[in-house]
Amino acid sequence: AQSVTQPDIHITVSEGASLELRCNYSYGATPYLFWYVQSPGQGLQLLLKYFSGDTLVQGIKGFEAEFKRSQSSFNLRKPSVHWSDAAEYFCAGPKGNDMRFGAGTRLTVKP
Amino acid sequence: DTEVTQTPKHLVMGMTNKKSLKCEQHMGHRAMYWYKQKAKKPPELMFVYSYEKLSINESVPSRFSPECPNSSLLNLHLHALQPEDSALYLCASSQESGANTGELFFGEGSRLTVL
Repeated sequence: AQSVTQPDIHITVSEGASLELRCNYSYGATPYLFWYVQSPGQGLQLLLKYFSGDTLVQGIKGFEAEFKRSQSSFNLRKPSVHWSDAAEYFCAGPKGNDMRFGAGTRLTVKP
Repeated sequence: DTEVTQTPKHLVMGMTNKKSLKCEQHMGHRAMYWYKQKAKKPPELMFVYSYEKLSINESVPSRFSPECPNSSLLNLHLHALQPEDSALYLCASSQESGANTGELFFGEGSRLTVL
């Protein structure tokens, strides 16, 4: 089935530490993949997207993601987390003729 | 203008009320979406409009009635809702839908409480 899955429900990191949020996909062909961030009570903001080409994608707010076909993964990374990065992060990809979201990973940042 | 504007931001209604949520975009996008999001859950697709025609209805109860008056506007009419319908309702738009769906642009959402 066409889908994305986020295996981590909640992750806690210390401010200044590096971050990696996992996203696995299940598609026959190379899919469009996205990472969105949602602060409490807010809408979703696109961090970055992968359509094709370079497998390392740069996004806003210092985030990047790497598309790895061999691992069916599209993990989100940031070298140094800031307290303002605390939020819910959603990986998304196509499902049929539409886009659907993973379950989300809630990021907590410790001082 | 890369904004999707939703009104109202907050809405409290009784189970016998009729109300509407509104969404507007001026990016020339041809696809518009309604998502429902419960606390600590991902957004769940409700409806998709493509070129002002309803293209996807995810088996949503008839107490939710979408309307797309023109390519910039999307409404969600609410009638006889249940308390379990309380949620954040998100509107989104994209240049196209279907196999060419690209980035979705989201509004801030309308927080609905049904008493």
